[in-house]
Amino acid sequence: NAGVMQNPRHLVRRRGQEARLRCSPMKGHSHVYWYRQLPEEGLKFMVYLQKENIIDESGMPKERFSAEFPKEGPSILRIQQVVRGDSAAYFCASSPPEITDTQYFGPGTRLTVL
Amino acid sequence: GDSVTQMEGPVTLSEEAFLTINCTYTATGYPSLFWYVQYPGEGLQLLLKATKADDKGSNKGFEATYRKETTSFHLEKGSVQVSDSAVYFCALSDFNTNAGKSTFGDGTTLTVKP
Repeated sequence: NAGVMQNPRHLVRRRGQEARLRCSPMKGHSHVYWYRQLPEEGLKFMVYLQKENIIDESGMPKERFSAEFPKEGPSILRIQQVVRGDSAAYFCASSPPEITDTQYFGPGTRLTVL
Repeated sequence: GDSVTQMEGPVTLSEEAFLTINCTYTATGYPSLFWYVQYPGEGLQLLLKATKADDKGSNKGFEATYRKETTSFHLEKGSVQVSDSAVYFCALSDFNTNAGKSTFGDGTTLTVKP
């Protein structure tokens, strides 16, 4: 059973470009979570999704950020018009359909905005 | 809201020394508690967890006990190795109140010298 997969692992964008981060949850997992880790800080919750539904987006910046988890395919975190402050590591986690407190993390995507 | 406070680093120890990393939390509900480890350039790996008061989580020589009376979950290891050098994160998750999202501390960097 493959773990949570994220790609790309490293992404470089210039200010004003768009960044698309992908997350494939573990097989059988239907819950996906996105977290952001700024340098020298812990992970901060951004959004929680189930298939085709956003359950909790209380940690998402109000502008430029969006997330989806379609019926087919990976979850996508999209950042429009990136700024230098968006440079961070973005981690995805997944959990199975049954109620559980344990999340399984991917290796992360490290976004650098020039 | 929920929060996690962990001992500031960095922590530098000699091989075979005793390790303690303090972690305290505040939560409105009755969360599960976790320790994650992050090696350089990698994602988070679950190290151990505890789901109720007085539970002890253990793995790879690391231990932590869920102390409800002191709202603490301190990480300990009797004899550290160079390979334990990493960043350690304390976290909590309460599915009943927060739909499974996790709240993390800021991380403690451990360096073990031979």
